Amino acid sequence: DQQVKQNSPSLSVQEGRISILNCDYTNSMFDYFLWYKKYPAEGPTFLISISSIKDKNEDGRFTVFLNKSAKHLSLHIVPSQPGDSAVYFCAASAGGNNRLAFGKGNQVVVIP
Amino acid sequence: SAVISQKPSRDICQRGTSLTIQCQVDSQVTMMFWYRQQPGQSLTLIATANQGSEATYESGFVIDKFPISRPNLTFSTLTVSNLSPEDSSIYLCSVREPNQPQHFGDGTRLSIL
Repeated sequence: DQQVKQNSPSLSVQEGRISILNCDYTNSMFDYFLWYKKYPAEGPTFLISISSIKDKNEDGRFTVFLNKSAKHLSLHIVPSQPGDSAVYFCAASAGGNNRLAFGKGNQVVVIP
Repeated sequence: SAVISQKPSRDICQRGTSLTIQCQVDSQVTMMFWYRQQPGQSLTLIATANQGSEATYESGFVIDKFPISRPNLTFSTLTVSNLSPEDSSIYLCSVREPNQPQHFGDGTRLSIL
């Protein structure tokens, strides 16, 4: 049972424009959410996270928004750069638990 | 953050054999985990590697198929036993340090002939 879902497997965006990645979850116990970025032949690298006590967290070009009532979060990348071309994974955990549930990932291609 | 080294980075194995994957961390870490990513799928937690005791396995994963060792706070191994084509995946080690998110090694890409 997929508790974290990422639809729209791929996204192409022009350099300088905004990339928006969406993630939905089904487990209401999830209270900590993370985004990871993955290049080919490398492991996922942590990008940004958000706790359920917040609805927004920003780090440079990356902003994550959380809508708890909708069980939905999104990652905004602005402006998008060619180096952002990668697969992005949404992940979630519950109650300080270290066990992460991942989505299937979104492939982002930034066109120069 | 701790640097994670996984070996081998890739391998091709025959059906029915086993492969042992090593995960070495350059500093002591309390929490170590093993994940699997099957083709086109999400990362799935196999187990938490506990230092000095048996690993804690997630639903659907058993010790006979995925024996794990963790002799100290810097090293762990995952063995994938009795290999079949369905075991073709990327296997990833991750660690969690206090007040840090989990971070991952580069993974082991396993193909079964």
